[in-house]
Amino acid sequence: GAVVSQHPSRVICKSGTSVKIECRSLDFQATTMFWYRQFPKKSLMLMATSNEGSKATYEQGVEKDKFLINHASLTLSTLTVTSAHPEDSSFYICSARKAGTSVYEQYFGPGTRLTVT
Amino acid sequence: GENVEQHPSTLSVQEGDSAVIKCTYSDSASNYFPWYKQELGKRPQLIIDIRSNVGEKKDQRIAVTLNKTAKHFSLHITETQPEDSAVYFCAATLTGGGADGLTFGKGTHLIIQP
Repeated sequence: GAVVSQHPSRVICKSGTSVKIECRSLDFQATTMFWYRQFPKKSLMLMATSNEGSKATYEQGVEKDKFLINHASLTLSTLTVTSAHPEDSSFYICSARKAGTSVYEQYFGPGTRLTVT
Repeated sequence: GENVEQHPSTLSVQEGDSAVIKCTYSDSASNYFPWYKQELGKRPQLIIDIRSNVGEKKDQRIAVTLNKTAKHFSLHITETQPEDSAVYFCAATLTGGGADGLTFGKGTHLIIQP
């Protein structure tokens, strides 16, 4: 299998606070993890690419100081939304790619619903 | 960067008929094209993928075709069943180099009519 988990599944926070979301690959090692954002009934938008042991690569328009990404091990990446605002409310989904140069499939986590009040 | 267009946005077919969803991409360097199925409230599930060195790939009732020259690829579902109802996303990327996040199309809501 290739199971990816996310925690928490839902979180409500107050404006100005920070929230950390965890993404774990449960039964495989992932040198690369990806963070996406999905608005209701919309597509997934790539936010950043997280490589184990190095700095994340952010997509154009994504503030790296607001969305802090840490990929400290081969099975865990975290996304911290700092100083959250209501417009940060969204569905955040991570994906993980198995280690190996010829493996391209990305397996998605169940997502985290963030609501900022 | 890459841009992926997907059509139609909604597709309704009779159970047992075939469904075709089409996507085009802009970056000729892209070499990996997966398709995901997402049911309401659930995570996207990889259903089939194709690499640029292959023109067609089939897995039971699902097939994907790729035309590199025209930069388009399509998902074909035959003998559709009620459980095929979901939102389908195509995606494209250039693999390798550690920055191969997926660019997704806007999705197609497939409705299977009983």
